[in-house]
Amino acid sequence: EVQLVESGGGLVQPGGSLRLSCEASGFTFSLYSMNWVRQAPGKGLEWVSHIDSSGPTHYADSMKGRFIISRDNAKSTLYLQMTSLRAEDTAVYYCARGPYYYDSRSQKSYYYGMDVWGQGTTVTVSS
Amino acid sequence: DIVMTQSPLSLSVTPGEPASISCRSSQRLLHGDGDYYLDWYLQKPGRSPQLLIYLTSSRASGVPDRFSGSGSGTDFTLKISRVEAEDVGVYYCMQGLQTPRTFGQGTKVEIK
Repeated sequence: EVQLVESGGGLVQPGGSLRLSCEASGFTFSLYSMNWVRQAPGKGLEWVSHIDSSGPTHYADSMKGRFIISRDNAKSTLYLQMTSLRAEDTAVYYCARGPYYYDSRSQKSYYYGMDVWGQGTTVTVSS
Repeated sequence: DIVMTQSPLSLSVTPGEPASISCRSSQRLLHGDGDYYLDWYLQKPGRSPQLLIYLTSSRASGVPDRFSGSGSGTDFTLKISRVEAEDVGVYYCMQGLQTPRTFGQGTKVEIK
């Protein structure tokens, strides 16, 4: 079964740090780009960060310099290191597979949307 | 950044009737490969989001064929041919053309 399981959320004080993890199973993790998407209480979806299958990373402007996305393909795990946390970072954080799949035979990437999502992990930033 | 604007923001539909949600982008979503990079996601109550449509009109695996997507340029539409009770939730469009990826505000669909 294709699955993503997030962990690492919790209560942290403003200015603090937290590292989220997303363990993947049921597919070849290294061939997919991956994302973090968050949802503040009662609000819509907000894209946070993306990492290509080959490593390049991208961030939403408000996260640049504070958040670092990384991946360990050997462990099939995605990470989000969050620092200088603010109250407005309070949200459910989802990891999501995609939107690109890298076909090693054709050596091309194909867009399929963010097709697998985890159950989310809750981050609360409060004193 | 590309701004995504959905309408309406809420929709109440009778089961068996059609429904339509519009999504407009502030820039054309045309990629160099000729596709429009627009996705639709549904978040059912208390659940994680799920992919419905990618590249404007391609249905994701397992998505019923009552869901269809269309559009070009900056205007896109998600249609549900016959709404069922299980279709309730919040629908989001998202542009995948460039980072930062951006979502629409969401359209809440309820059953009458």
